[in-house]
Amino acid sequence: QLQLQESGSGLVKPSQTLSLTCAVSGGSISSGAYSWSWIRQPPGKGLEWIGYIHHGGSTQYNPSLKSRVTISVDTSKNQFSLNLSSVTAADTAVYFCARAPLGIDYFDLWGRGTLVTVSS
Amino acid sequence: EIVLTQSPDFQSVTPKEKVTITCRASQSFGTSLHWYQQKPGQSPKLLIKYASKSISGVPSRFSGSGSGTDFTLTINGLEAEDAATYYCHQTTNLPWTFGQGTKVEIK
Repeated sequence: QLQLQESGSGLVKPSQTLSLTCAVSGGSISSGAYSWSWIRQPPGKGLEWIGYIHHGGSTQYNPSLKSRVTISVDTSKNQFSLNLSSVTAADTAVYFCARAPLGIDYFDLWGRGTLVTVSS
Repeated sequence: EIVLTQSPDFQSVTPKEKVTITCRASQSFGTSLHWYQQKPGQSPKLLIKYASKSISGVPSRFSGSGSGTDFTLTINGLEAEDAATYYCHQTTNLPWTFGQGTKVEIK
């Protein structure tokens, strides 16, 4: 059964870059049948889609974060990654990775999420 | 950007009651509207896809309807395990957006 697992630094200093990885197990990220997204949720608040990547490397980002976001994929390691630069306290959130069937687009599989705190 | 506004923000409900949550979109689109359930400390779980299509493994008491700008999630016969926050989500236009969430509490 395919699973997603987020990992990365749980504490990032203001102005630095947040880096997270989502490992895909039980299936191949290169199947071409899905897009792979990052979504975040500030404590006690709602969900915000950050962006997605296809296995070939094409990306789409939320315009609200586009200037600071990079999503990349490493098919050899079966994982995809998020970099968010110039972070502030407003970027403190639980970050989820998720899968959406290509062209269908709802999120049918989610990781458990990882809390990232931005603090000096 | 399509803004999704859910109502109510919070609902306290007795078991076996019917729950109705609405999601109104800032512009009209078809049925690319999906519903998720999120329990505390967990990731969201897909409940309904494309406004009204059921998901395998989701109890039949959950149903969805609507198109255009107005969508509804209905829970027929609330059970204690349904205490959660519910989100609508549109994938018609980028950026994909979510409603602000509706928290359902069991009385």
